[in-house]
Amino acid sequence: GNSVTQMEGPVTLSEEAFLTINCTYTATGYPSLFWYVQYPGEGLQLLLKATKADDKGSNKGFEATYRKETTSFHLEKGSVQVSDSAVYFCALSANTGNQFYFGTGTSLTVIP
Amino acid sequence: DAGITQSPRHKVTETGTPVTLRCHQTENHRYMYWYRQDPGHGLRLIHYSYGVKDTDKGEVSDGYSVSRSKTEDFLLTLESATSSQTSVYFCAISEVGYTGELFFGEGSRLTVL
Repeated sequence: GNSVTQMEGPVTLSEEAFLTINCTYTATGYPSLFWYVQYPGEGLQLLLKATKADDKGSNKGFEATYRKETTSFHLEKGSVQVSDSAVYFCALSANTGNQFYFGTGTSLTVIP
Repeated sequence: DAGITQSPRHKVTETGTPVTLRCHQTENHRYMYWYRQDPGHGLRLIHYSYGVKDTDKGEVSDGYSVSRSKTEDFLLTLESATSSQTSVYFCAISEVGYTGELFFGEGSRLTVL
C-alpha cells in the first residue's frame, strides 16, 4: 500500500539554524512526492514537489530530493526564520490512482 | 489564491443529527477531495471525486457519503453524526490528479456533542 512516515515533532529551532525534517515513504507504482505547509488557521499549501527519482524540489530556501534507493524525501533549509514556524506535511501520490497520502505533520517553531 | 470556498466554516451539532459540508470551486478543476485532520493522524482521505457523479472512497469513508452533481460543488454528508467525527474537514482540488498540486480550502471545524 501507500503510506508516508515523517519525523515526530514538535521541533524548536533558533533563528538561522539548519532544519531537517525526515520523510520516508512506501508506495506502489511510481509516486510523486510533496511537501505542504500549514500556517495557523489556514489550509495546506504546496511548498515543493518532485515527480521522479533524483528530482530536487525547491522553494523559498527549502529543498528536498526524491531518493528512490532510500525511499526518502527529507526537507531541508539552511537558515530558518521566525516566519517559517508552521506545520509541515510530507505527502505522496501514486500513479495507480489519484489519491494523495499525507504524513502526520511536523510542527516547527522558530524562536528569535 | 485558488477559488475554493467551504461552508459552513464552523458548526456545532448533536450526536445523531445529519450534517452536510459544502465545497465550492471556481477553478473548473476535475478532481475534488475531502480530508479530515486530527491530531496525531495528519490528513486522512474520506472521499474523492474524479468528475461529475464519479466518486470513490478513501481510507476513512465509513459514516460519510458524498455527491458531486456539478463540477464546482462537492458535498460531504454525515448521515448521523457521532462524536468521533469531531474534526477539521478540508476540501482540496486538483487539475491534473496525481502529479499536480492540491489546492486546499480553509477548513470546516465540526464539533459533535
